[in-house]
Amino acid sequence: DAGVIQSPRHEVTEMGQEVTLRCKPISGHDYLFWYRQTMMRGLELLIYFNNNVPIDDSGMPEDRFSAKMPNASFSTLKIQPSEPRDSAVYFCASSPDGRFGGELFFGEGSRLTVL
Amino acid sequence: SQKIEQNSEALNIQEGKTATLTCNYTNYSPAYLQWYRQDPGRGPVFLLLIRENEKEKRKERLKVTFDTTLKQSLFHITASQPADSATYLCALLSGGGADGLTFGKGTHLIIQP
Repeated sequence: DAGVIQSPRHEVTEMGQEVTLRCKPISGHDYLFWYRQTMMRGLELLIYFNNNVPIDDSGMPEDRFSAKMPNASFSTLKIQPSEPRDSAVYFCASSPDGRFGGELFFGEGSRLTVL
Repeated sequence: SQKIEQNSEALNIQEGKTATLTCNYTNYSPAYLQWYRQDPGRGPVFLLLIRENEKEKRKERLKVTFDTTLKQSLFHITASQPADSATYLCALLSGGGADGLTFGKGTHLIIQP
């Protein structure tokens, strides 16, 4: 299996622009997670899906952030409009079983810089 | 509030020695705890999981202990090698029955030859 695939790997944009990050989870994994990592706050859970349905989006910082999972093999995280404080590495992870100790398989991340 | 604390300072260990990393938590009652390794520019990679009813878990040169009374997990790497240099993260299931893992900020381990 190719693992969790994220794109783009790097994104540099200007404040106010829309940013869309993409994720393809491992086939057969029922759970998909979006995390954000910064030096100050570490890894923060933004939102997760179970069988394509959003379960908990309490970590989404603001209404500017939205996430979708239209099918089992694709998810997007959108920031509109972007701000400099959104600069971070965004990770997507999938798991065959998010409950009861299921390990997470992370992608390589999307490094976002908002100028 | 819930907290997961790992030593934020880098840990320097001489090659061949045992490296011990600490994860402390407050206001959690985790059923299990996980450890991940993260290399620069890469995503975290799962290493070990230990359940609340397990005191110790081993995998090759890795050993994890879990003390629910002390609310602490220790992560040991024996016979450490420079290739073990990385950031190590501990993670707990988020409170409130949610499925997402909450991560500590990690400890940067440097194994010096």
